[in-house]
Amino acid sequence: EVQLVESGGGLVQPGGSLRLSCTASGFTFNSYWMSWVRQAPGKGLEWVAKIKQDGSEKYYVDSVKGRFTISRDNAKNSLYLQMNSLRVEDTAMYYCAREEWLHPGAFDIWGQGTMVTVSS
Amino acid sequence: SYELTQPLSVSVALGQTARITCGGNNIGSKNVHWYQQKPGQAPVLAIYRDSNRPSGIPERFSGSNSGNTATLTISRAQAGDEADYYCQVWDSNTGVFGGGTKLTVL
Repeated sequence: EVQLVESGGGLVQPGGSLRLSCTASGFTFNSYWMSWVRQAPGKGLEWVAKIKQDGSEKYYVDSVKGRFTISRDNAKNSLYLQMNSLRVEDTAMYYCAREEWLHPGAFDIWGQGTMVTVSS
Repeated sequence: SYELTQPLSVSVALGQTARITCGGNNIGSKNVHWYQQKPGQAPVLAIYRDSNRPSGIPERFSGSNSGNTATLTISRAQAGDEADYYCQVWDSNTGVFGGGTKLTVL
């Protein structure tokens, strides 16, 4: 079964750091671009970052540039999001998503999400 | 930056046709993807590249894209179609989502 499972969310104070993980199974992980997408409580979807199959290209939404870093370990079939200098407005459910084979493409597989709450 | 505009809500009678629009500057030149999200669940891809249905998505779901508007059409709407729907495009390696439309089936 094709699956993405996120972990690492939790409660953190403003200015703090958190590292999210996403473990893939059921497909050849190193063949796909991968992204993080977030959703603040009661709000819409917001794309956060994406990374190429070999990690050589990374792109970010302006609001997280310089604070968040996307990375991957293809040997471990894992995607990561290192989040530093967290702000209250980063509070959201964070989803990892696979981009379909045709790049740039649709997000054809999504994880169930991991919740990040930034609050004092 | 590129923006996508969706109506906040659309209502449709049971068994009728719902149309959800997604507006953007010359969006017809881009590939548009649509996602369905039910409460408490992760999004699910409903339509990709304007008009293609993934396996498992009913034939009642279709899409079109031209000029400044893309449209998701749901024929013979069912109660189970009630959800939030989001359009999405790529703009210079940046992912852009519309604000989402809540579909209510009456």
